[in-house]
Amino acid sequence: GAGVSQSPSNKVTEKGKDVELRCDPISGHTALYWYRQSLGQGLEFLIYFQGNSAPDKSGLPSDRFSAERTGGSVSTLTIQRTQQEDSAVYLCASSLALAGNGYTFGSGTRLTVV
Amino acid sequence: DQQVKQNSPSLSVQEGRISILNCDYTNSMFDYFLWYKKYPAEGPTFLISISSIKDKNEDGRFTVFLNKSAKHLSLHIVPSQPGDSAVYFCAAPYGQNFVFGPGTRLSVLP
Repeated sequence: GAGVSQSPSNKVTEKGKDVELRCDPISGHTALYWYRQSLGQGLEFLIYFQGNSAPDKSGLPSDRFSAERTGGSVSTLTIQRTQQEDSAVYLCASSLALAGNGYTFGSGTRLTVV
Repeated sequence: DQQVKQNSPSLSVQEGRISILNCDYTNSMFDYFLWYKKYPAEGPTFLISISSIKDKNEDGRFTVFLNKSAKHLSLHIVPSQPGDSAVYFCAAPYGQNFVFGPGTRLSVLP
């Protein structure tokens, strides 16, 4: 596609439920990143996929968070047993490689845990 | 440990005047910096970058200045326009990803 597509754009869920957030990167982009922005905070790195290499999961805040990338394209971020502190905007970005101005973000998924 | 800091959460400027957004960093190994702009309900978009071999990079109304000895960079927007109202993030490459500052919300008043 022309840009990075994320779905849903908004998600309200009850505390304790699981959620799945989807990211469809730009076709041909080998690198895919998940970030989140909590209220009043900067962008917090979560996880990075590069081609077929093992993902860099160093930013995942707890074992309730996991992500996968199927076929080197679409990625799903899963949050199990959601907590109120998980409420944030979850942003996905993709790039051809680690290149600053080639790093394209999606519009994000606003997650609200009630 | 916040390696990239933007100490002003918000800034208001009159249309036509200069906007100056500041960013400080702690890691002297950073050698490349970027500014991203974010409108509500949209993802951040790349605005301008600077390499540590330069102290200034200009692109139209946007200029970024880098002071390596002070570990400080600033983004100047002149003249400011109402459409520049957004959140501006300073970022630096760190390993395989980027470290972002907390952002500064710029409001340009007509």
